[in-house]
Amino acid sequence: EIVMTQSPVTLSVSPGESPTLSCRASQSVSNKLAWYQQKPGQAPRLLIYGASTRATGIPARFSGSGSGTEFTLTISSLQSEDFAVYYCQQYNNWPPYTFGQGTKLEIK
Amino acid sequence: QLQLQESGPGLVKPSEPLSLTCIVSGGSLSSSYFWGWIRQPPGKGLEWIGSIYYSGNTFYNPSLKSRVTISVDTSKHQFSLKLSSVTAADTAVYYCARGVIGFMDSWGQGTLVTVSS
Repeated sequence: EIVMTQSPVTLSVSPGESPTLSCRASQSVSNKLAWYQQKPGQAPRLLIYGASTRATGIPARFSGSGSGTEFTLTISSLQSEDFAVYYCQQYNNWPPYTFGQGTKLEIK
Repeated sequence: QLQLQESGPGLVKPSEPLSLTCIVSGGSLSSSYFWGWIRQPPGKGLEWIGSIYYSGNTFYNPSLKSRVTISVDTSKHQFSLKLSSVTAADTAVYYCARGVIGFMDSWGQGTLVTVSS
């Protein structure tokens, strides 16, 4: 099973800043990496797939990069609605599909 | 617009089976997607339970494989999850979702299932 490790666990950021969230895989997952956003009481929402392709309707301020074992999600000019928990998920080696433990983006 | 809605009991007794259904509207279960279940214990992260493909093939998380069955009923526009012999560790919000290749692009709102006597 591929283990996904996200860092940091919590990130305190001010609106307008551009945070970078990290996700590391225990072995190569090529570019088979997705990012999700989850707000309290809501289901996860797909942001990025294929490591860098934005899902339908996702604003351009969300960008993903990386391949192999190291991936990043950058949010340019953070908006108030972006404060949430972010999960990465690999879909290269399965079953099982595996998720990271999440990074909570909180208001500084 | 595709919509998924989970339904089922919110409380299940230990050792009994958990059964949930996901009703799909605005899209076809017969198209080239997979349909899956993911769960999230309170305050914790996401765990993929398993998926069923339009072909009928199923794939399960090895950690749950001995207890999980996912089935699809295209005539009723729904797919289902059955998890046997539940314990308190199975308490979670259960999501159904549509999958593309390996990522999930549409999710239901989720339903909380509590395992307690």
